[in-house]
Amino acid sequence: GESVGLHLPTLSVQEGDNSIINCAYSNSASDYFIWYKQESGKGPQFIIDIRSNMDKRQGQRVTVLLNKTVKHLSLQIAATQPGDSAVYFCAEAFGTYKYIFGTGTRLKVLA
Amino acid sequence: EPEVTQTPSHQVTQMGQEVILRCVPISNHLYFYWYRQILGQKVEFLVSFYNNEISEKSEIFDDQFSVERPDGSNFTLKIRSTKLEDSAMYFCASSEGQGASTEAFFGQGTRLTVV
Repeated sequence: GESVGLHLPTLSVQEGDNSIINCAYSNSASDYFIWYKQESGKGPQFIIDIRSNMDKRQGQRVTVLLNKTVKHLSLQIAATQPGDSAVYFCAEAFGTYKYIFGTGTRLKVLA
Repeated sequence: EPEVTQTPSHQVTQMGQEVILRCVPISNHLYFYWYRQILGQKVEFLVSFYNNEISEKSEIFDDQFSVERPDGSNFTLKIRSTKLEDSAMYFCASSEGQGASTEAFFGQGTRLTVV
């Protein structure tokens, strides 16, 4: 079946350390993946995306890695800051009209 | 910076009543979406809308739901007879294009509470 899931529901990291949030997907036909950040009481905020013809994409302090062989997506945040504390969702774009979201990982940054 | 705006931010309604959630997508976007998020759960796709018609809908989007673009700027979600289980955050989103490499921008959401 089609599903997008996350390995860990909560991740705690020390401020300044790097964070890695993982996501597994099952639909090998998906061609677009996105990471969203959601702070309490707010809507999902786009962080970074990657197309299926790529295996790595970098943004400011964030890197997304895509491993199509094992259907795995990860988000790396460098030098994690208190403002990075939020729930992070991976999403998979099916065809043309919708995203399928994973269940989310809560990132807690410890001072 | 352009953004998707939603009103109201919080709506409380009696079970069985009709509610309309309103959204103003980003002005040059052509594709519009509604998602919902039950408290503590993941964001779920409800419906997508393009060229004044529904492009795709999920099984959640039953006959109690409808969407409309009544004018050039608003995009609404109507729930005809609300149920307790409709209580959730409802997010509107819009995108410039469709498919791969098309970022959807989300609004801040409307919290719907059905009592």
